[in-house]
Amino acid sequence: DAGVTQSPTHLIKTRGQQVTLRCSPKSGHDTVSWYQQALGQGPQFIFQYYEEEERQRGNFPDRFSGHQYPNYSSELNVNALLLGDSALYLCASSFTGGYTFGSGTRLTVV
Amino acid sequence: AQSVTQLGSHVSVSEGALVLLRCNYSSSVPPYLFWYVQYPNQGLQLLLKYTTGATLVKGINGFEAEFKKSETSFHLTKPSAHMSDAAEYFCAVRPSYNTGANSKLTFGKGITLSVRP
Repeated sequence: DAGVTQSPTHLIKTRGQQVTLRCSPKSGHDTVSWYQQALGQGPQFIFQYYEEEERQRGNFPDRFSGHQYPNYSSELNVNALLLGDSALYLCASSFTGGYTFGSGTRLTVV
Repeated sequence: AQSVTQLGSHVSVSEGALVLLRCNYSSSVPPYLFWYVQYPNQGLQLLLKYTTGATLVKGINGFEAEFKKSETSFHLTKPSAHMSDAAEYFCAVRPSYNTGANSKLTFGKGITLSVRP
């Protein structure tokens, strides 16, 4: 049984560009959450999607947006990239509160 | 609001020694508590969790943690460290009142565990 799959695993973007990260949840999971983990820090909650709607949002600017599809997969979009957006982006899927994390996408903004 | 404090950023132990990683939390409602481990360039793997019931929780790889409400603590222990335990460890909390979709995890800053031969 496949767990949470994230793509790409690594990418490098230039400041000001836009990026899309993708997440396929674990089979049977209907909720997807996104976290940002800066180097040397714990993961910070960005937002959560359930039934194709954003249900909860952390303290992140509107440059961060997302989407959930009918098959529960999700995207994280970041516009106008800043150097400070460089981080590991983790996707977690859940069903009734049990979380499974993906291996993350390492984003480097130069 | 909820928060997690993990004092100290780095713990070093000898192989075979006791591992103790401290976690204190703040929560206005009864919490669910978690410990995750992260190996280099990987995601988070759940070690153990406390939801309800027995306050001493056993997890994978010989780890266990005890929920102490009076001390607002959830320290992680392992009797005998192994070289393979070297990793980053994160304590996390979420409110217990919502078991559905709207339950975010709040993480501490993490502790790096080193194991000396």
